[in-house]
Amino acid sequence: DAGVTQSPTHLIKTRGQQVTLRCSPISGHKSVSWYQQVLGQGPQFIFQYYEKEERGRGNFPDRFSARQFPNYSSELNVNALLLGDSALYLCASSSGRSEAFFGQGTRLTVV
Amino acid sequence: AQSVTQLDSQVPVFEEAPVELRCNYSSSVSVYLFWYVQYPNQGLQLLLKYLSGSTLVKGINGFEAEFNKSQTSFHLRKPSVHISDTAEYFCAVSDPDYGGSQGNLIFGKGTKLSVKP
Repeated sequence: DAGVTQSPTHLIKTRGQQVTLRCSPISGHKSVSWYQQVLGQGPQFIFQYYEKEERGRGNFPDRFSARQFPNYSSELNVNALLLGDSALYLCASSSGRSEAFFGQGTRLTVV
Repeated sequence: AQSVTQLDSQVPVFEEAPVELRCNYSSSVSVYLFWYVQYPNQGLQLLLKYLSGSTLVKGINGFEAEFNKSQTSFHLRKPSVHISDTAEYFCAVSDPDYGGSQGNLIFGKGTKLSVKP
């Protein structure tokens, strides 16, 4: 079975641009969560979606948004990129109370 | 709000020696606790989890952890480490009142384990 897949793996953007990151959960998993991991820190929770509804939002500005599609895949959008948005963005999927499985992440560099 | 403190940012240890990575969390009525491992340029892999029941939890790769409610700790241990255990380890907590799922995890800052020959 395929694990959680994220695309792209690496991305370089310029300040002020917009970016969209994609995540496909494990088959059968209805929950997708997004995390930001800045170099040298632990992952920080951004969003959780379950059955296409937002279930939780971390302490991130409104420049960050996400959505979940009928097939449970998800997109994370970040507008007006700042240098401080440079990070590894991780997607995790889970099913109900099961453990969260993480993808390999998307490394975003803002220059 | 929940918080997680990993008391050591780096832990160097020789191969075949025992190791303990410390984790404390802020008190709560009940919590779920996890340890994840991250290899360079990789995502996170679950080592073990505590949801309820026995306070001694065994995980993959010979790791184990003990949940101590009175000390609000969840320290990770391995009796004999290998070079391949070199990685970053993250302790995390999930509020079980948060929808019952593990979709909202609060992580510590991580501990870099460096195993030397």
